[in-house]
Amino acid sequence: DQQVKQNSPSLSVQEGRISILNCDYTNSMFDYFLWYKKYPAEGPTFLISISSIKDKNEDGRFTVFLNKSAKHLSLHIVPSQPGDSAVYFCAASEWGGSQGNLIFGKGTKLSVKP
Amino acid sequence: KAGVTQTPRYLIKTRGQQVTLSCSPISGHRSVSWYQQTPGQGLQFLFEYFSETQRNKGNFPGRFSGRQFSNSRSEMNVSTLELGDSALYLCASSLVLAGQETQYFGPGTRLLVL
Repeated sequence: DQQVKQNSPSLSVQEGRISILNCDYTNSMFDYFLWYKKYPAEGPTFLISISSIKDKNEDGRFTVFLNKSAKHLSLHIVPSQPGDSAVYFCAASEWGGSQGNLIFGKGTKLSVKP
Repeated sequence: KAGVTQTPRYLIKTRGQQVTLSCSPISGHRSVSWYQQTPGQGLQFLFEYFSETQRNKGNFPGRFSGRQFSNSRSEMNVSTLELGDSALYLCASSLVLAGQETQYFGPGTRLLVL
């Protein structure tokens, strides 16, 4: 049973517009959430994280929103750039991310068209 | 700071053989986690080491093992290789920041079992 779900396998967005990537989770014990970007043949690159005590965290063009009651988080990229084209993974953890064991979604492939 | 490094980057083995993969964490990071990425299962947690001790383990058979050295470098071993072990093996090291641990990934070792 998937504890972290990214229901959209792919997303296409025009350059300069907003990209919104969604993630749902089932385990209410998760208290730390992260987004990673992955290019082919490379390891995931950390983008942004959020603790369950917050509902929003912002870093430059990237903002993550957390809705605990809905067990839903989203990553907003504004404005989107062609270099943002990659697979985006949502990950969740208990214990503030310690002891490894990040639970990953299956990823959403974002294509940003010039 | 240099990132997480993994060697070798690519490896071809045959069924029944064993393999050892190596990971050097970011300087100062003491926690190292290992993940397996396959097209069907996505990214799955193998185990995590901290101060030379395995703190956490995922749901993989005993053929998968690891260790960590006093300099925080880690190795992962897979014995009696099976075709299904073909995957990208990712190592991540983590930093504790404000009570939360964010994992930073290496480029991975791509293992092909024939």
